[in-house]
Parts: sequence; structure tokens; C-alpha cells
Amino acid sequence: GAVVSQHPSRVICKSGTSVKIECRSLDFQATTMFWYRQFPKKSLMLMATSNEGSKATYEQGVEKDKFLINHASLTLSTLTVTSAHPEDSSFYICSARDLLAGGTATDTQYFGPGTRLTVL
Amino acid sequence: KQEVTQIPAALSVPEGENLVLNCSFTDSAIYNLQWFRQDPGKGLTSLLLIQSSQREQTSGRLNASLDKSSGRSTLYIAASQPGDSATYLCAVNTNAGKSTFGDGTTLTVKP
Repeated sequence: GAVVSQHPSRVICKSGTSVKIECRSLDFQATTMFWYRQFPKKSLMLMATSNEGSKATYEQGVEKDKFLINHASLTLSTLTVTSAHPEDSSFYICSARDLLAGGTATDTQYFGPGTRLTVL
Repeated sequence: KQEVTQIPAALSVPEGENLVLNCSFTDSAIYNLQWFRQDPGKGLTSLLLIQSSQREQTSGRLNASLDKSSGRSTLYIAASQPGDSATYLCAVNTNAGKSTFGDGTTLTVKP
């Protein structure tokens, strides 16, 4: 079945540095990917919609200059947390939808395994 | 704006019990609904997906139902086992692929 991977799975960085997280669809193409954030013991909140070949669409309250999203190809979206601070420490998960040829969506939304970011 | 609520927030049962987790959503214009399992510190494991036109889906000891008109879904777990202990998340998906998650139900099955 379709798989979505994320890299790295875990990252620890110093405050003020930038961190890039990759989301890849391994055996299907995804014109749209989604980035979610999960705080401890909370549910997942949608941060932004990553659109291949165009700008990402951010949810209300998410700083686009803080969380840079680039969807450079049909199989890769990246989320860069710029000038990370301890409050950015969280679990970040991406998802992608497998679109059949012709644009008809299949049923399943595939989620990546997540990236745990810890900012010291 | 879609809102998803899961009740109860936490549930503790003895091994072998059958149990029901509840999920409700405010906007019935959904594409499908998905139930996930999340173990502590881990990612999401998809359990069942129900299309908006379907009433239920079954996989092993799990059965998920959907009543779109009333904005409700239930996840039924039969003969619970300690290995079922996890947080169960309900997600409502739009046809564009966007998911709205509930806060989850944390299940503990005691041996």
C-alpha cells in the first residue's frame, strides 16, 4: 500500500537554529500534502496545506515566516522551522492523499510516522 | 468550521470487556471518517476508514459505524486486550484531503 515517510524521525536542536523536516510519498504522487502539529497529550492540529508548484496555505494563527513549506515535487514536501525556540518543540506529522490518474481521489489519507522536534 | 469531539476522554476497562468509543462532528458534509490508534510517543496507525456513503466497516475485533446525518461515529472494540491500550483518534476528512481530529480517547485495558 501507499506509504508516506518523514525524515528525520527525531531531532534535537539548539534555540535559534532552523530545522528542516521532509515528507515523502513513496509510491504515489501527491499534489497536496498536509502538515499537522501535535502538542503533548493533545490532538493533531492542521498547520498548513502544501501545494505542489505553488504557495502553501496556512491555517489561522500559524506564522508562515516561522514555518516555511516547500512542495518542490509531486513526492516531496518540506517544513522548515526557522529560528526554533523551545515552544516549537512538538510532534510534526504530514499526510498525503493518493490521487488516481484523472484526478479521482482514492479513499485513504496516508499519514507519515511523524517527527519529534525538541528545541533546547 | 468543523469540530470533532470524542467521548470519553479516558476509559479504563478490565481485559475481555467489549467497549464503545464515541466521536461526534458538527458538519455532516464529510468525505470520509477515519479511526486511528496512537501509542505514546509514536505516530498514527490507521484502523478503519468509512466513506460518507457507508454505514460501517469491520476489521477483526474492531467495528466502526457512521451516521453522517446525526454527525456521529462509534468504534466498537470486542474482547479488549491489554495490547489495545492506546489513544484512539477520530478524524473527519474533506474531499480535499484535509483532516480535523478529535482530542482522542485514551484507553487502558487492565490484565
